Amino acid sequence: QKEVEQDPGPLSVPEGAIVSLNCTYSNSAFQYFMWYRQYSRKGPELLMYTYSSGNKEDGRFTAQVDKSSKYISLFIRDSQPSDSATYLCAMGSSNDYKLSFGAGTTVTVRA
Amino acid sequence: DAGVIQSPRHEVTEMGQEVTLRCKPISGHDYLFWYRQTMMRGLELLIYFNNNVPIDDSGMPEDRFSAKMPNASFSTLKIQPSEPRDSAVYFCASTPGGHQPQHFGDGTRLSIL
Repeated sequence: QKEVEQDPGPLSVPEGAIVSLNCTYSNSAFQYFMWYRQYSRKGPELLMYTYSSGNKEDGRFTAQVDKSSKYISLFIRDSQPSDSATYLCAMGSSNDYKLSFGAGTTVTVRA
Repeated sequence: DAGVIQSPRHEVTEMGQEVTLRCKPISGHDYLFWYRQTMMRGLELLIYFNNNVPIDDSGMPEDRFSAKMPNASFSTLKIQPSEPRDSAVYFCASTPGGHQPQHFGDGTRLSIL
């Protein structure tokens, strides 16, 4: 079993819809949680960064962390065609500086 | 500010040849990471440095791979000899502090024929 599980999709939604993405993990030592967006032939770009449990909102993006369930989510409101990309979850612990990444979910927002 | 800069962007070479990938981290970032991304295995950490010193190279697949960081603004990842299974996109990332978010370059797309 992988340390971080993420459904690779693909996910296709109409413009304006809410996109819901999630990851589950097995390592209870994870305390740092990130979401990256990766466009085709580009490097991952940080979207959201959360420490420990709770919610964080930034514009149309909301990240949620539930450490008791070992489950994190990313919501994209009012999705736009420019949101079409692969979304990667990543997490790390205080023990070292390595990140474990999910497989990535490919999202297409249809105009 | 300039981001993480990687070169070359694309590399196509024949099996057995030496390949050198280059990375310039963001100025002031003390940590540098090398990753490999494939469809099958996703994004995998190969090695990371702190203040130019290799800290963890447990992800380096085998002795054919080596990485160096001679100074704070330059790192190389070398594969010698290269094999077709090394074909992947190789990313470099940097961060100012260990637990702060990593900033990625746009990668080197490597094809070994």
